[in-house]
Amino acid sequence: NAGVTQTPKFQVLKTGQSMTLQCAQDMNHNSMYWYRQDPGMGLRLIYYSASEGTTDKGEVPNGYNVSRLNKREFSLRLESAAPSQTSVYFCASMGDRVVERYTFGSGTRLTVV
Amino acid sequence: AQTVTQSQPEMSVQEAETVTLSCTYDTSENNYYLFWYKQPPSRQMILVIRQEAYKQQNATENRFSVNFQKAAKSFSLKISDSQLGDTAMYFCAFISNFGNEKLTFGTGTRLTIIP
Repeated sequence: NAGVTQTPKFQVLKTGQSMTLQCAQDMNHNSMYWYRQDPGMGLRLIYYSASEGTTDKGEVPNGYNVSRLNKREFSLRLESAAPSQTSVYFCASMGDRVVERYTFGSGTRLTVV
Repeated sequence: AQTVTQSQPEMSVQEAETVTLSCTYDTSENNYYLFWYKQPPSRQMILVIRQEAYKQQNATENRFSVNFQKAAKSFSLKISDSQLGDTAMYFCAFISNFGNEKLTFGTGTRLTIIP
């Protein structure tokens, strides 16, 4: 099925470890996004990429890096995980028509101990 | 910057009743979109309904309808004939129609439908 695929779905890290969350979309969308969801705070934007080769900071970028590898893939990297990064992470993509084509992945639950 | 406020952290209602979830937002823009997303325990973000700011008519999707008051910057969601499957977190979200294409979310309302 067409859509946004995130891996892994669950992950437990120790403080200081690094990892990369993968995201891929097969809808030929230009824009891709990474959000984090925390209890009582809704979803907040970490980074986004308006097109292949460009990335920009969102509301909460500290402690993260991103790579727009190609048009399909947009990865999120935690270089040195901290307990404050325990969260649910969502990748999303958007096509040319906002109202029709904003699509979310199924999320990654990350726990940092 | 835009802000979205949901003032009801939790709500509950008996099955088959009607419930209204509140949302207010703040923006200086005139052309934008508003959304309600449903997030069941599966974590999936599901678009429930959308409203284009330039349309005066309130959007409806089966049992879901909105009351969009542009001047008051209010965007409430009404769920009629509520069903057990409506139990979920509901998020109100805003997106500009120009340039900045990032969704801004409210903090969510946890809705429980009681059998």
